[in-house]
Amino acid sequence: AQSVAQPEDQVNVAEGNPLTVKCTYSVSGNPYLFWYVQYPNRGLQFLLKYITGDNLVKGSYGFEAEFNKSQTSFHLKKPSALVSDSALYFCAVRDAWAGNNRKLIWGLGTSLAVNP
Amino acid sequence: DAGITQSPRYKITETGRQVTLMCHQTWSHSYMFWYRQDLGHGLRLIYYSAAADITDKGEVPDGYVVSRSKTENFPLTLESATRSQTSVYFCASSVGGADTQYFGPGTRLTVL
Repeated sequence: AQSVAQPEDQVNVAEGNPLTVKCTYSVSGNPYLFWYVQYPNRGLQFLLKYITGDNLVKGSYGFEAEFNKSQTSFHLKKPSALVSDSALYFCAVRDAWAGNNRKLIWGLGTSLAVNP
Repeated sequence: DAGITQSPRYKITETGRQVTLMCHQTWSHSYMFWYRQDLGHGLRLIYYSAAADITDKGEVPDGYVVSRSKTENFPLTLESATRSQTSVYFCASSVGGADTQYFGPGTRLTVL
């Protein structure tokens, strides 16, 4: 069965420090992996995705994520956090071999707080 | 470029009433989705549609009805609202393929 885990409900970092938001997944085939961000009272915004190719994926707002097949992880990273990065972050996965099953499986979200 | 819009943004209703939440996208995306977001549950898929006149159930379809007569619209109806349906509802759309989904701003529904 497909699943996604975001092991941390909340992550706190100081402004200017690097940040990491963790995501691990389980799919039967090759994964399509996504990160989304949700600012307060807003809809989710797409940040980046991994389909195939380079394990390091760069996305919006200076975020990047590293796909690690052996550890089945797709952690979101940013070298220097901003207070404006404070938001809820969601990881999602889809099995690339799911055929007509177009549904994404979503993590429960990680709340990121960047302190000035 | 309007993208994907939802209406109303806020709705208060009473138990037993019928409520319809609207979703409209201007990209001609094939796929559309309805999610609900609740604390502790993340995003849960209610229904999705692969094209006009094609819909399928998600994780939590009970108590909801959808239709998709036109590609750009995907209304969600609560036939007889219950308090447990108090939630924030998000509509999303995608081309298909790599399945990047684009979300509307959400509707906050309160059932009294």
